Amino acid sequence: GAVVSQHPSRVICKSGTSVKIECRSLDFQATTMFWYRQFPKQSLMLMATSNEGSKATYEQGVEKDKFLINHASLTLSTLTVTSAHPEDSSFYICSAREGRGGGNEQFFGPGTRLTVL
Amino acid sequence: AQSVTQPDIHITVSEGASLELRCNYSYGATPYLFWYVQSPGQGLQLLLKYFSGDTLVQGIKGFEAEFKRSQSSFNLRKPSVHWSDAAEYFCAVGFNQAGTALIFGKGTTLSVSS
Repeated sequence: GAVVSQHPSRVICKSGTSVKIECRSLDFQATTMFWYRQFPKQSLMLMATSNEGSKATYEQGVEKDKFLINHASLTLSTLTVTSAHPEDSSFYICSAREGRGGGNEQFFGPGTRLTVL
Repeated sequence: AQSVTQPDIHITVSEGASLELRCNYSYGATPYLFWYVQSPGQGLQLLLKYFSGDTLVQGIKGFEAEFKRSQSSFNLRKPSVHWSDAAEYFCAVGFNQAGTALIFGKGTTLSVSS
């Protein structure tokens, strides 16, 4: 089956620094990638939708200048949390879909645990 | 607006007993339906999905789900629960619109007692 990887799996950083999280589709070309955020004991909340070669579409309430998303190729999307603060600590999960159709299955990465001190 | 409801926040089932996790959706047409499982600190694993056809869907790990259009439901079932099934379960819906992401329910935590 399709595999999506995320790197790093866990990161701890100091407040004010920036952190980059990579999401890769290993065996398929992901036209669309999604970034979710999950707080403890809560569901996944969509942050943004990223289509290869175009700007990401952010959900309401998500600061695009704080959460920079780059989908530079069909197999890689990056999420950069800029000037991270403790409230940005969360579990970030990406997913990738081959094709733009909503009926195509999304494949999820294993997630990245971000802790901001 | 589209939404997914998982009415049960937490369910405890005895090992060997049957399980049913409820999921209801709100959408004008039939969406694509998914069930995912998440162990603590882990990503999501797809249990099963429904796109069309037979309304009873078989998945991995002995799970099945039944789509009932009249009730806008897609409940997950397992005839005999194992201790290793303890996890968080998410129902999700997808829509046949370009670029749209899955919408997740709030999840149901399954505990298994011995």
